[in-house]
Amino acid sequence: EAQVTQNPRYLITVTGKKLTVTCSQNMNHEYMSWYRQDPGLGLRQIYYSMNVEVTDKGDVPEGYKVSRKEKRNFPLILESPSPNQTSLYFCASGWASYEQYFGPGTRLTVT
Amino acid sequence: KNQVEQSPQSLIILEGKNCTLQCNYTVSPFSNLRWYKQDTGRGPVSLTIMTFSENTKSNGRYTATLDADTKQSSLHITASQLSDSASYICVVETTGANNLFFGTGTRLTVIP
Repeated sequence: EAQVTQNPRYLITVTGKKLTVTCSQNMNHEYMSWYRQDPGLGLRQIYYSMNVEVTDKGDVPEGYKVSRKEKRNFPLILESPSPNQTSLYFCASGWASYEQYFGPGTRLTVT
Repeated sequence: KNQVEQSPQSLIILEGKNCTLQCNYTVSPFSNLRWYKQDTGRGPVSLTIMTFSENTKSNGRYTATLDADTKQSSLHITASQLSDSASYICVVETTGANNLFFGTGTRLTVIP
């Protein structure tokens, strides 16, 4: 089944404790992206990748890191999470940015 | 300033009725416009994608229109069902790499 998977789906952590949210797709897509979604603000792009080893900042990259060592994986890294990074996170992939398939989401709470 | 505005913010309709959601944008230069459906707590799912030359596109009971001159799009839902209850998000992309502008969505609730 073609899909985008994210892990974990739910995470509660404390300020400053490094964490990684994994994203994997099995559709051989070149394009992958991370978003956060907050009430009243809609989806905002954090980082995106046009292909392996090619990543770029989106609208709200501060406090986040990504890597794209393999085509199928695009992990999101929070080196030192803060409460303002409490949000719902979505990974997406596609052949291009206009045809994106979204993952199921990761709900992160930072206390 | 590139912006995407959706209206109304929320809408409640009776099952079986039709409704229309609006998306106005100031994004330029325009490449394409997409409508997504997002069920609560889940990832958005694409409904339609329209380029500059397309002014209507349908996906089952969903019909999207685009007026590139006035920079307006609408999503019309026919014969609504309870499963249509969701947020509908309008996304506009400019030409060039990865320039996406998201609306904040319209929350639709269909009641029996």
